[in-house]
Amino acid sequence: GESVGLHLPTLSVQEGDNSIINCAYSNSASDYFIWYKQESGKGPQFIIDIRSNMDKRQGQRVTVLLNKTVKHLSLQIAATQPGDSAVYFCAEKSSNGGGFKTIFGAGTRLFVKA
Amino acid sequence: EPEVTQTPSHQVTQMGQEVILRCVPISNHLYFYWYRQILGQKVEFLVSFYNNEISEKSEIFDDQFSVERPDGSNFTLKIRSTKLEDSAMYFCASSEGAGLQETQYFGPGTRLLVL
Repeated sequence: GESVGLHLPTLSVQEGDNSIINCAYSNSASDYFIWYKQESGKGPQFIIDIRSNMDKRQGQRVTVLLNKTVKHLSLQIAATQPGDSAVYFCAEKSSNGGGFKTIFGAGTRLFVKA
Repeated sequence: EPEVTQTPSHQVTQMGQEVILRCVPISNHLYFYWYRQILGQKVEFLVSFYNNEISEKSEIFDDQFSVERPDGSNFTLKIRSTKLEDSAMYFCASSEGAGLQETQYFGPGTRLLVL
């Protein structure tokens, strides 16, 4: 069945370093992927997205890479800051009989050490 | 910046009781969603709603659950007879449209604890 999951449950990085958060998905027909950030006590917040016809997309300090061959997605955060500490979820959006359903992965908790 | 709001922030209830979780989506949004997140687990889709009808629902969204848009601003999730396993964070979300790349905006969540 469909699943979206993460390789590591926690990641600890030094402030100023780059962070890489990984995600594997199983549905090769997935067309759209999203990264969300969830801070403590808040709902998921959209960070960046990528369509399946792309392999890289850049935002402000964030880059998403998509490798369809191995069904792998990653989020790179440049110059990680204490405010980046949160749980990061990858999500897949797929068509389901006319509508779209968003399937979230398990989440990776990012700790940024000052 | 407009945001999705949810009330209450926390709800404690006894098993078997009915609860209603409330959401006020962003005002010009037409598509509404409920998700839940059991503590320490991933966010799970429950239901999407458009034009006063359910458009999609997951296998979690059984007959114990219902959604309603009682007026022009509120969107509610009702759980008729709560079970212990309904304890979770419930997130409401809304989006302007329902296309593939339409961004969903999430509220802060209601933490439901069933005793």
